[in-house]
Amino acid sequence: NAGVTQTPKFQVLKTGQSMTLQCAQDMNHEYMSWYRQDPGMGLRLIHYSVGAGITDQGEVPNGYNVSRSTTEDFPLRLLSAAPSQTSVYFCASSGQGAKETQYFGPGTRLLVL
Amino acid sequence: AQSVTQLDSQVPVFEEAPVELRCNYSSSVSVYLFWYVQYPNQGLQLLLKYLSGSTLVESINGFEAEFNKSQTSFHLRKPSVHISDTAEYFCAVKRTAGNMLTFGGGTRLMVKP
Repeated sequence: NAGVTQTPKFQVLKTGQSMTLQCAQDMNHEYMSWYRQDPGMGLRLIHYSVGAGITDQGEVPNGYNVSRSTTEDFPLRLLSAAPSQTSVYFCASSGQGAKETQYFGPGTRLLVL
Repeated sequence: AQSVTQLDSQVPVFEEAPVELRCNYSSSVSVYLFWYVQYPNQGLQLLLKYLSGSTLVESINGFEAEFNKSQTSFHLRKPSVHISDTAEYFCAVKRTAGNMLTFGGGTRLMVKP
């Protein structure tokens, strides 16, 4: 049981490039989400999904796309990277329901030059 | 909407001293409360949570938090800290009818020998 896995661990992009951050979980969780972590701002929700085929926007969705074709995978796409997207990105998953604990991946550190 | 305020961005403390990390929240609906810990270069791990019942909740490594509804607070305490407690701590809330976590800005606990 690997929990929540994320790849890559670290990435450097040039402004305007696109890339996909991968996230997978093996706990059969229905709910998955993406956060970005910036100093002093905690974690802010980018996008989330309550099940395969269903996604919605969080607090800071601009510049990011997601899809959920399977229960296990929830990739995050940066369409045209900007320096403001330099951050640490975390994927999380949980069972459905407010009492469920969210489990976090190890993070992807992204630097946009 | 919910919001979470962690009143201290950094808390330096000597080993074996007591510590309190403060968390206040604002919400127009009922919420569940969480504390997560992030060790250096790692993802977030659940430390403890308040769902219902006793307002005092404990973790397995000696931390405790008390839910105070009248003061809308959920402060985290430990009577005697160790070097290994050095980490960033995040307070978070979740509506009782939802999945999304709202995080505070984080408090960096620095335990000195």
